[in-house]
Amino acid sequence: QLQLQESGPGLVKPSETLSLTCSVSGGSIISSSSYWGWIRQSPGKGLEWIGNIFYRGTTYYNPSLKSRVTISVDTSKSQFSLKLSSVTAADTAMYYCARQRSTLKDIDYWGQGTLVTVSS
Amino acid sequence: QSALTQPASVSGSPGQSITISCTGTSSDVGSYNFVSWYQQNPGSAPKLMIYEGSERPSGVSNRFSGSKSGSTASLTISGLQAEDEADYYCCSYSDGSTWVFGGGTKLTVL
Repeated sequence: QLQLQESGPGLVKPSETLSLTCSVSGGSIISSSSYWGWIRQSPGKGLEWIGNIFYRGTTYYNPSLKSRVTISVDTSKSQFSLKLSSVTAADTAMYYCARQRSTLKDIDYWGQGTLVTVSS
Repeated sequence: QSALTQPASVSGSPGQSITISCTGTSSDVGSYNFVSWYQQNPGSAPKLMIYEGSERPSGVSNRFSGSKSGSTASLTISGLQAEDEADYYCCSYSDGSTWVFGGGTKLTVL
């Protein structure tokens, strides 16, 4: 059973960079059928797709966040990471990492989520 | 890339059927058969309920069904049960190898 676990600071100051890591276990991150993605949910709001990465490093980003987002992968550690720069209070959200199936274009495994608050 | 449009809330009585719509554009729902639906309970991560528009993952009740017409996808829940009360989100694959979610619908079982 695939498991994903987010980790990283729960508090980030405005204008700084948010950094999160997702650890994948119970399966290989080196998979031609998987994209590894990040989704966020602001308090009381809906889901927003941030972007994803293929194990070889190909990335796709939400156009509205593209200028501030970097997603990377470390296959040796079975981890992928999210960096979001120049954060503001609007970036306060629950951040989920997830497995997106490349052929079926859905999200079948989710991490439990980690709450990141942007505040001074 | 705009969010897909869902009704903010729907409600129904136990045993009834309800349908949640998800309207997109020719850049997403209208062009791809890759609409998925997720159920989210308070404090939990979303759960995949429907993929490829109408397919159910193993373990999901056959009371849940999906369909699509043009740029609008729909999720129907038949034989409504109290345990179905949750938030529901649609998601579509979109141009540029991106994904877009709907704004979410709160289902209340009366």
